[in-house]
Amino acid sequence: GAVVSQHPSRVICKSGTSVKIECRSLDFQATTMFWYRQFPKQSLMLMATSNEGSKATYEQGVEKDKFLINHASLTLSTLTVTSAHPEDSSFYICSARERLAGTQETQYFGPGTRLLVL
Amino acid sequence: AQSVTQLGSHVSVSEGALVLLRCNYSSSVPPYLFWYVQYPNQGLQLLLKYTSAATLVKGINGFEAEFKKSETSFHLTKPSAHMSDAAEYFCAVSETGRDYKLSFGAGTTVTVRA
Repeated sequence: GAVVSQHPSRVICKSGTSVKIECRSLDFQATTMFWYRQFPKQSLMLMATSNEGSKATYEQGVEKDKFLINHASLTLSTLTVTSAHPEDSSFYICSARERLAGTQETQYFGPGTRLLVL
Repeated sequence: AQSVTQLGSHVSVSEGALVLLRCNYSSSVPPYLFWYVQYPNQGLQLLLKYTSAATLVKGINGFEAEFKKSETSFHLTKPSAHMSDAAEYFCAVSETGRDYKLSFGAGTTVTVRA
């Protein structure tokens, strides 16, 4: 149980284009999903918290107009990198938290999406 | 505020030897503590978690961790390393008051020698 998927697993795009990454909870309902960014050989940096049916909450220093997050259902959140530039190249990982009471503290992670902007 | 310090960015062990990964945390309230493992180009897999129940927590793949409040530590151990344990390990902490947002340590890379 508690499986989270991401699509695509890898994407290459041209500078200036937009890229959408999907995060799905496959066997549970996730009221909250989180989006992280990870640079090579580094830890995960939380970008934003996504709650179903409401606006995402962004961490300090993260441009909300550049990284658009939509959490349209209890099983799907999307991250759109708008007008991507080479410095946006990174490994993006999402996580999801179960809706059930008593399990709120545990996040389950997706496999990640490798973005390369040329 | 919550934070995590992982001592040692790289640990090398022989196959069959003890694996010990150190994690110290700071938290203003009773914390939730986690160990995650990451294999190359993959997401994070939950190894185990401490949620204020038993202080000795057993996880998957033979790993266990002990919560020591007096030492603010949550070290991860495995009695006998296997080649498949080679990976990146992250310790993380979250708090109820921060909506369970995770703060991660810098990570420890484990290599296993044959």
